[in-house]
Amino acid sequence: DTAVSQTPKYLVTQMGNDKSIKCEQNLGHDTMYWYKQDSKKFLKIMFSYNNKELIINETVPNRFSPKSPDKAHLNLHINSLELGDSAVYFCASSRGRNLYGYTFGSGTRLTVV
Amino acid sequence: RKEVEQDPGPFNVPEGATVAFNCTYSNSASQSFFWYRQDCRKEPKLLMSVYSSGNEDGRFTAQLNRASQYISLLIRDSKLSDSATYLCVVNMEYGNKLVFGAGTILRVKS
Repeated sequence: DTAVSQTPKYLVTQMGNDKSIKCEQNLGHDTMYWYKQDSKKFLKIMFSYNNKELIINETVPNRFSPKSPDKAHLNLHINSLELGDSAVYFCASSRGRNLYGYTFGSGTRLTVV
Repeated sequence: RKEVEQDPGPFNVPEGATVAFNCTYSNSASQSFFWYRQDCRKEPKLLMSVYSSGNEDGRFTAQLNRASQYISLLIRDSKLSDSATYLCVVNMEYGNKLVFGAGTILRVKS
């Protein structure tokens, strides 16, 4: 069984489009995260939700809007996509603030053309 | 100064070699430290936590020096399968989030 699953795995889209990435975890964790890994492989946190409540919101353009309908799901919607948004987006989850139980999804490779 | 800094490498070593990676972090109040491994086009996976007293897991040894804000990872008897990017990761005390270094690339060759 996949612990943290993201869809789609690959996404190629044109500049200006709006797209969503979905994430689901079946680990019973109550904290979920979105990370962005750019072309230089630098992995940086974007958002974190704990029990559907936003607890971390890094300096991210407001074109990016996370949504957590329940504690097992954290989706990421991106408006007006730009070339610089091309990256791999990783979802992760942990039990509460227990950073030792961090589990990543396999990533969504977004390419904006 | 970056929050977590690592030598990007790449480190090219023969099988059987011993290799060491270093990492420094900027926030002296940081509480938790980890090494993650990331294979090409895959997600990061926890390799080991780093404890103040130092800890070992098979061929891997992690050390923490809080005074110097320095973390290390030693890999003994390198295997081809150890080839990957090794990420130094720190829990910054001011936010319950993991901050990742840019990673050190290891290539083990036969």
